[in-house]
Amino acid sequence: AQSVTQLGSHVSVSEGALVLLRCNYSSSVPPYLFWYVQYPNQGLQLLLKYTSAATLVKGINGFEAEFKKSETSFHLTKPSAHMSDAAEYFCAVSLAGGTSYGKLTFGQGTILTVHP
Amino acid sequence: EAGVTQFPSHSVIEKGQTVTLRCDPISGHDNLYWYRRVMGKEIKFLLHFVKESKQDESGMPNNRFLAERTGGTYSTLKVQPAELEDSGVYFCASSPGDRVGYGYTFGSGTRLTVV
Repeated sequence: AQSVTQLGSHVSVSEGALVLLRCNYSSSVPPYLFWYVQYPNQGLQLLLKYTSAATLVKGINGFEAEFKKSETSFHLTKPSAHMSDAAEYFCAVSLAGGTSYGKLTFGQGTILTVHP
Repeated sequence: EAGVTQFPSHSVIEKGQTVTLRCDPISGHDNLYWYRRVMGKEIKFLLHFVKESKQDESGMPNNRFLAERTGGTYSTLKVQPAELEDSGVYFCASSPGDRVGYGYTFGSGTRLTVV
């Protein structure tokens, strides 16, 4: 079975500051890892995904994440926050095999607030 | 290509009534998933179709929920009778057969409110 833990249900940063959203996972087989974003009144949008290629993954809107197997982490970062980054962010894992093949398991979500 | 389409976008029904949610996946995507987010909780898996067959329905909460996928195309999720705790956002996602596990595209969701 797999699980995801997002540290911090709310993160607040100033505009221009570093954004760091933390995600740790557990899985019994090699995982695929994802970050999704949900803007107010919208659906889930894929920011980036790790599918066992490069461990540093670049996504849309200047976000990136690094897969660290030794730490079972997949933290999301952005060097400089913009007001438009305010949203809820979800880390998710799926498995490349096993009985849970194909389904996503989500973290609890982190609401990012950006202050002027 | 057209994305994953869900409708209605919002539905408000009374407890005890029936509601049917629909999802149209991306054309040619064999895999279709339903997820739900109840307020304050994480997004949870409900079930997975491969074409018209249920691959995994381990997340379906109870027998008031019935999912179908006619001819391997669109899917419906019926809740009958609806209860207050069924309120939440229901998401649908699809992926191609050769990208199971990572090729998801999500719809915008249906916000269901049971009053």
